[in-house]
Amino acid sequence: DAKTTQPTSMDCAEGRAANLPCNHSTISGNEYVYWYRQIHSQGPQYIIHGLKNNETNEMASLIITEDRKSSTLILPHATLRDTAVYYCIVRRGGSEKLVFGKGMKLTVNP
Amino acid sequence: DTAVSQTPKYLVTQMGNDKSIKCEQNLGHDTMYWYKQDSKKFLKIMFSYNNKELIINETVPNRFSPKSPDKAHLNLHINSLELGDSAVYFCASSPDLSSYEQYFGPGTRLTVT
Repeated sequence: DAKTTQPTSMDCAEGRAANLPCNHSTISGNEYVYWYRQIHSQGPQYIIHGLKNNETNEMASLIITEDRKSSTLILPHATLRDTAVYYCIVRRGGSEKLVFGKGMKLTVNP
Repeated sequence: DTAVSQTPKYLVTQMGNDKSIKCEQNLGHDTMYWYKQDSKKFLKIMFSYNNKELIINETVPNRFSPKSPDKAHLNLHINSLELGDSAVYFCASSPDLSSYEQYFGPGTRLTVT
């Protein structure tokens, strides 16, 4: 079972920052927070992951609270192509299976 | 070139038939996976292989048999297809078992009538 909870859906205006929340209150010290997304009719796509420090890459930023019980994925300038289902996943390491929950549907509006 | 490819993209077949879905990755990865996404959009892992060896086998009916002829290929054979097997099947790969990123294929939509 997924160890995270996310809102069912969220809207964002094109060009604005999209802040996607995720709760993982039972996360263990050796578990990472991963984000994937699935654009309609495509396979999931890795976005970013982190343990306790904030992380940034070319796609997004990941902000993890100090107690690690929640995190926020930030898409700094959302585009229409960012419309997708976003999955927040907690995972101990690469050898552990990815467990996808229901995810959150982000709709970027023009 | 496509990193992870699957064939066919669509597969429509009748109950009781046997079918195969092929997956190939040209990334040089050691680890490959099969996932199933049902009509409710839940995505669940079925199998994982590392260097052609089975690592993860979730509680999947034994009608499903993965086969890895080499590191670049992981095919999924399904015997005696049932209505409940209708789903989108995704293949994925990662550099190795400890990798944080998995690369997914485009999916194969299987419809059993």
